[in-house]
Amino acid sequence: GNSVTQMEGPVTLSEEAFLTINCTYTATGYPSLFWYVQYPGEGLQLLLKATKADDKGSNKGFEATYRKETTSFHLEKGSVQVSDSAVYFCALGALNYGGSQGNLIFGKGTKLSVKP
Amino acid sequence: NAGVTQTPKFQVLKTGQSMTLQCAQDMNHNSMYWYRQDPGMGLRLIYYSASEGTTDKGEVPNGYNVSRLNKREFSLRLESAAPSQTSVYFCASSVLWDGYTFGSGTRLTVV
Repeated sequence: GNSVTQMEGPVTLSEEAFLTINCTYTATGYPSLFWYVQYPGEGLQLLLKATKADDKGSNKGFEATYRKETTSFHLEKGSVQVSDSAVYFCALGALNYGGSQGNLIFGKGTKLSVKP
Repeated sequence: NAGVTQTPKFQVLKTGQSMTLQCAQDMNHNSMYWYRQDPGMGLRLIYYSASEGTTDKGEVPNGYNVSRLNKREFSLRLESAAPSQTSVYFCASSVLWDGYTFGSGTRLTVV
């Protein structure tokens, strides 16, 4: 079945450090891939997405490239800020048999803490 | 502001008590979802409703029931709460995958 695996946290970085959060997936066909972010005390928000191989999603300085050959969608940011402290979720969306849209499948989340 | 509204935000129940979590969206979305979030487990889908009048089980439906009252509202009911149901519950709605909008959550503690 479809699944998402993301790196275990928590991740603690100093401000302006480089961030990578790994995400790999298992899916039949050609899924769409997403990163969602959850700030403390809030619900999840879409951060970026990619819908086909080699697409790069980007938003707020974050980037992720859909790599079909390695079934990966790693999240990166060149210089993190304290305000980036949050939990990040990788997610996969695949079509059901018959072509209808299935539900999103989420990874377990990675907590990022950025220290000043 | 348009979005997903969940009530209540916090709740403490005794084992065996019942309660209903309410969720409403004003974005005219067809699909609505209930998730629970537990430490180290990520988000797990409890029930979803692809459209008004339909509901389906997700990954962890046991101990819960849902009602899609109309297009706007999707409620989650715990008939006899158990400590294992202590969690943060999120409602979401969507048109497409990248249109998932989440509520701010209900923190439920069952003692």
